[in-house]
Amino acid sequence: DVKVTQSSRYLVKRTGEKVFLECVQDMDHENMFWYRQDPGLGLRLIYFSYDVKMKEKGDIPEGYSVSREKKERFSLILESASTNQTSMYLCASSSLSSDTQYFGPGTRLTVL
Amino acid sequence: GEDVEQSLFLSVREGDSSVINCTYTDSSSTYLYWYKQEPGAGLQLLTYIFSNMDMKQDQRLTVLLNKKDKHLSLRIADTQTGDSAIYFCAAANQAGTALIFGKGTTLSVSS
Repeated sequence: DVKVTQSSRYLVKRTGEKVFLECVQDMDHENMFWYRQDPGLGLRLIYFSYDVKMKEKGDIPEGYSVSREKKERFSLILESASTNQTSMYLCASSSLSSDTQYFGPGTRLTVL
Repeated sequence: GEDVEQSLFLSVREGDSSVINCTYTDSSSTYLYWYKQEPGAGLQLLTYIFSNMDMKQDQRLTVLLNKKDKHLSLRIADTQTGDSAIYFCAAANQAGTALIFGKGTTLSVSS
């Protein structure tokens, strides 16, 4: 079975802090994705990556950056956290040959 | 632009059938997807249908696809309280680079 893990289930940070959210997948998938989920807005794509060291902006990249130094790991970085980044963050991965995405359990981030 | 739409809420009684509907705009998807999200959890792939099929049945789940009308539905037979969750419909974008998700339908099952 595909396993996607995220470093934290719950995280509380202060405004202005630098925040790292980590995602690891064990299926050798090429593609990895970061979404945020907010009530009434569904899932919105922040960034995705097709390969190591490659990244593409999604629909809402402002205030975020990403890093993919190894194939299995995709990190989301909030350079200076703000209260409007309080959200549920979901990581997903898929193989090059399929658009089926497999999700991690999510990280609920609260920025105070 | 590319979009996936679904109704936001559905309430049913235990034992009834539930039908969740979804419409999508242009899609390059080979498959169309239904994901389930239980409270506080990530999205779990529930089922999917190949874009050239009309129907797929998987135990209590039936997926219907009307490609002409770009309409996808998920039917859950004999709905149980454990089926209470948010259900997301998803299709690939035109470029085939990512999935586009609907906003999710919250299914509430009462006993």
